[in-house]
Amino acid sequence: DGGITQSPKYLFRKEGQNVTLSCEQNLNHDAMYWYRQDPGQGLRLIYYSQIVNDFQKGDIAEGYSVSREKKESFPLTVTSAQKNPTAFYLCASSIRDRGNSPLHFGNGTRLTVT
Amino acid sequence: KQEVTQIPAALSVPEGENLVLNCSFTDSAIYNLQWFRQDPGKGLTSLLLIQSSQREQTSGRLNASLDKSSGRSTLYIAASQPGDSATYLCAVGILSNFGNEKLTFGTGTRLTIIP
Repeated sequence: DGGITQSPKYLFRKEGQNVTLSCEQNLNHDAMYWYRQDPGQGLRLIYYSQIVNDFQKGDIAEGYSVSREKKESFPLTVTSAQKNPTAFYLCASSIRDRGNSPLHFGNGTRLTVT
Repeated sequence: KQEVTQIPAALSVPEGENLVLNCSFTDSAIYNLQWFRQDPGKGLTSLLLIQSSQREQTSGRLNASLDKSSGRSTLYIAASQPGDSATYLCAVGILSNFGNEKLTFGTGTRLTIIP
């Protein structure tokens, strides 16, 4: 079955450590996205990539970094510069220039930083 | 700046009832509007997508309508079932200055269907 796999489901880190969240898709989608979800707030876009080796900052990119070396993979690194990293992180994908095609989401990674 | 509001934040209804979830947005120059379902601790599942030129979309017991002029969308769920219990989010898409689509999400309505 095609889909998006995020791992791990739960992640715990000490403050000051960088951590990388994995996102892999086998939908043959060109575009991939990272969102952050916090209680009481709508999803907010961190980074997106419309094609391999290219990515753009979203609304809240500070303290995060990404890479897109392969079409299937779009890992997100939460750096020590991110002030409030504890959140639920969601990866999504779509066809490029998706027009009116829906986003497909993974099941998320819940990151807790203490 | 586009703002998306979903009221109420939570809703409980008995099984079998028909219900309506609401979504309002401030900028009517939208590209599309999507309704998603999110189960606890899970990702989002796309339910319906309405293009800006459309007034409604239907899938099974779900019907979504769009009124751009008033900045509103509704998601109608017929004959509700306990399995419909979830958080429902709407997201409004606009085209950015760079020609790519940008989504703004509401905070969702948490729906509980009482058996």
